[in-house]
Amino acid sequence: EAQVTQNPRYLITVTGKKLTVTCSQNMNHEYMSWYRQDPGLGLRQIYYSMNVEVTDKGDVPEGYKVSRKEKRNFPLILESPSPNQTSLYFCASSFRGVAGVGTDTQYFGPGTRLTVL
Amino acid sequence: GQQVMQIPQYQHVQEGEDFTTYCNSSTTLSNIQWYKQRPGGHPVFLIQLVKSGEVKKQKRLTFQFGEAKKNSSLHITATQTTDVGTYFCAGLRGQIYNFNKFYFGSGTKLNVKP
Repeated sequence: EAQVTQNPRYLITVTGKKLTVTCSQNMNHEYMSWYRQDPGLGLRQIYYSMNVEVTDKGDVPEGYKVSRKEKRNFPLILESPSPNQTSLYFCASSFRGVAGVGTDTQYFGPGTRLTVL
Repeated sequence: GQQVMQIPQYQHVQEGEDFTTYCNSSTTLSNIQWYKQRPGGHPVFLIQLVKSGEVKKQKRLTFQFGEAKKNSSLHITATQTTDVGTYFCAGLRGQIYNFNKFYFGSGTKLNVKP
């Protein structure tokens, strides 16, 4: 079954304790992305990756790191989490479209609800 | 700041009434996508619009992309309780190095009373 998986689904942690949220897709998609969702703000893009070893900042990258060493995996790293990073996080993937035209369907993972105390 | 504005934030309708949500961008978009998120779920892709003035239909849903490629709308005819959820638009800006950077609207939460 084609899917995007995220782990963990729920996480409660404390300020400053490094954490990693994993994301994996089995569709051989080039494009992967991380979003955070906060009430009233919709989805905001944190980082995205257009292929292995190619990543770029989204709209709200501060406090986050990513890496793309394999095509299927795109982990999100919070080196020193703070309470303002409490949010619902989604990973998404898609095929890359033709340059300038855009991408195809984004498939979203089930989400990771993170609470930083 | 918010690159794509979406209104209204909430809409409560009686089952059978129509519903429309609007997205407006301050800059020209290369394309726009629409997503639906059910309560407690994740966003699910509905459609992508690419051409200026494009109109696409999916059963009771009609999607439009403005002539200037700066605005878009989603119209649902005769809503049903299964339409409940939050509808998001997501625009890609037409900058050559950022064509994969998405800007989501804040979403319209639709509630349908039976």
